[in-house]
Amino acid sequence: QSALTQPRSVSGSPGQSVTISCTGTSRDVGGYDLVSWYQHHPGKAPKLVIYDVTKRPSGVPDRFSGSKSGSTASLTISGLQAEDEADYYCCSYAGGFSYVFGGGTRVTVL
Amino acid sequence: EVQLVQSGAEVEKPGESLKISCKGTGYSFTDHWIAWVRQVPGRGLEWMGIIYPGDSDTRYSPSFQGQVTISADKSITTAYLQWTSLKPSDTAMYYCARRASRDQEYFDNWGQGTLVTVSS
Repeated sequence: QSALTQPRSVSGSPGQSVTISCTGTSRDVGGYDLVSWYQHHPGKAPKLVIYDVTKRPSGVPDRFSGSKSGSTASLTISGLQAEDEADYYCCSYAGGFSYVFGGGTRVTVL
Repeated sequence: EVQLVQSGAEVEKPGESLKISCKGTGYSFTDHWIAWVRQVPGRGLEWMGIIYPGDSDTRYSPSFQGQVTISADKSITTAYLQWTSLKPSDTAMYYCARRASRDQEYFDNWGQGTLVTVSS
């Protein structure tokens, strides 16, 4: 399995929106509506922010949203805040109890 | 409160063996799969494998099959990741993560990570 493709970095000013793409294949992202996104502040445990492409766990602000088209999933952070600065990873189920992560995207709040 | 607490940082020499742990508390340990995820310095997350502590059913990423062993001891609600002969390329942060529940393909709780450094 190859890692899902994410941009290395995105940036935005406070209050703006940023979108992170996550491109896979028909064997993972395109084959299942089972994409999740994780926020990772260095030195801390990753935190789930989106699951099943569009669902938000309780406690995650509604400025985080997810979508998918074909084999590309996306995470959008609206109303960017300083605390959103972190690394973000997508993950897709790939069948047969296997999973694949993206390479990660560093979000910088300018 | 669900918690996954991992063992502390390790510094080992090439060729040595190592077993790191992940203790789950605050939930029914045998009802949730536990995954192991690697992060090489400066790189992204890589899924290594997953175990169901209820019956020790284990699946590995092809990239890690034969390189590591994942196990669990349900009597002490602890999952393990072990190596028989470490290489410098095994230097990484290792995370355990709980699969949410049956038919839910995401990881809702993560350990704090165990840094493994392999150097002569």
